[in-house]
Amino acid sequence: SQQGEEDPQALSIQEGENATMNCSYKTSINNLQWYRQNSGRGLVHLILIRSNEREKHSGRLRVTLDTSKKSSSLLITASRAADTASYFCATDARDTGRRALTFGSGTRLQVQP
Amino acid sequence: EAGVTQSPTHLIKTRGQQATLRCSPISGHTSVYWYQQALGLGLQFLLWYDEGEERNRGNFPPRFSGRQFPNYSSELNVNALELEDSALYLCASSSWGTGAYEQYFGPGTRLTVT
Repeated sequence: SQQGEEDPQALSIQEGENATMNCSYKTSINNLQWYRQNSGRGLVHLILIRSNEREKHSGRLRVTLDTSKKSSSLLITASRAADTASYFCATDARDTGRRALTFGSGTRLQVQP
Repeated sequence: EAGVTQSPTHLIKTRGQQATLRCSPISGHTSVYWYQQALGLGLQFLLWYDEGEERNRGNFPPRFSGRQFPNYSSELNVNALELEDSALYLCASSSWGTGAYEQYFGPGTRLTVT
């Protein structure tokens, strides 16, 4: 089963609006990464947030991490049609040395022009 | 800087055959990871190679195997193909950057087993 679970499963917004996606996970982590996938193609790395960080920004992206609630959120501001994609969170479990990312089921974002 | 590359883009095989998928990591990256994205099952970790050695494998049968070459490229072999092996196979590479291993993915190989 997937450790990370994204919420919502699907999101449809208008261009210019903000999009917020949430991710929950079950075990302690070293870090959490967010990825974008367009139409079943490769994953594009968006941002990594470490377990000792609470918030991180990259361009129009803002990621928060609450380790006490084992949750993270990805905010895309001023969305564009090109942001239409599936978004996944992936966790790297703490202290296992396994380096195997565990992915959530993803949020499908549709940005209407 | 070139990203992770994978070949072939598409691969069609029949049940029982063997498939070989290839991956070249980002220059300077020594770790290569393989993931399977099957319809309805999501992204699942398959294998991790570092410095030519298999370091970790996911919950997949032994007919999924691979290797890493001295130039850090890697290949994934799937023997005795089954219909449920049809999936997008993604390769990623990483290096130690800013205190964490960010994994960068290639475009994937779509394997179809008929």
